[in-house]
Amino acid sequence: EPEVTQTPSHQVTQMGQEVILRCVPISNHLYFYWYRQILGQKVEFLVSFYNNEISEKSEIFDDQFSVERPDGSNFTLKIRSTKLEDSAMYFCASSEEQGTHNEQFFGPGTRLTVL
Amino acid sequence: KNQVEQSPQSLIILEGKNCTLQCNYTVSPFSNLRWYKQDTGRGPVSLTIMTFSENTKSNGRYTATLDADTKQSSLHITASQLSDSASYICVVTRTGGGNKLTFGTGTQLKVEL
Repeated sequence: EPEVTQTPSHQVTQMGQEVILRCVPISNHLYFYWYRQILGQKVEFLVSFYNNEISEKSEIFDDQFSVERPDGSNFTLKIRSTKLEDSAMYFCASSEEQGTHNEQFFGPGTRLTVL
Repeated sequence: KNQVEQSPQSLIILEGKNCTLQCNYTVSPFSNLRWYKQDTGRGPVSLTIMTFSENTKSNGRYTATLDADTKQSSLHITASQLSDSASYICVVTRTGGGNKLTFGTGTQLKVEL
């Protein structure tokens, strides 16, 4: 069964460093998303991406964040200068299309630890 | 403010027993409501999706109900198994909100022998 994959599973970085989190969505999916979950808190929407551009983003997704699909398969989330409060699980998701019954499939997540 | 609240926060039950988890939402205008299961350290996995016109949806031992008038939903788990131990998250989507999901805080379920 096709699934969303994410790498790395765990990333440790120093405050102020740049990190890139990678995702490979399900191959025939057209919509891509990033979510984060701070330990003990609920999952929060960061950004949605379609047709090589951001379709929606939350207040969390500020100028320190960027997304791109560099090669038609990978979908990346870059954090330019990490802060301690960026420590969280980051989940990538993809869906075949938008719509009421459209299901988003989530990857296993990348645990980001900022020291 | 668009919010999703769940209760109880955590629950411990014995294997084989049934349980019901609750969700209240203020997300508006409402498009659909989903229940996800999230194992520790893993991504959420969809259990059910319901629109405004649906008031019940089953997926194996999971049955979700929706009352769009009172903005409440429940997830009933029948004949629980140890593998049901996970966080169960209620997620609501707004009409016109693209596919942006608003997550609840989840109910942490533990099934014991």
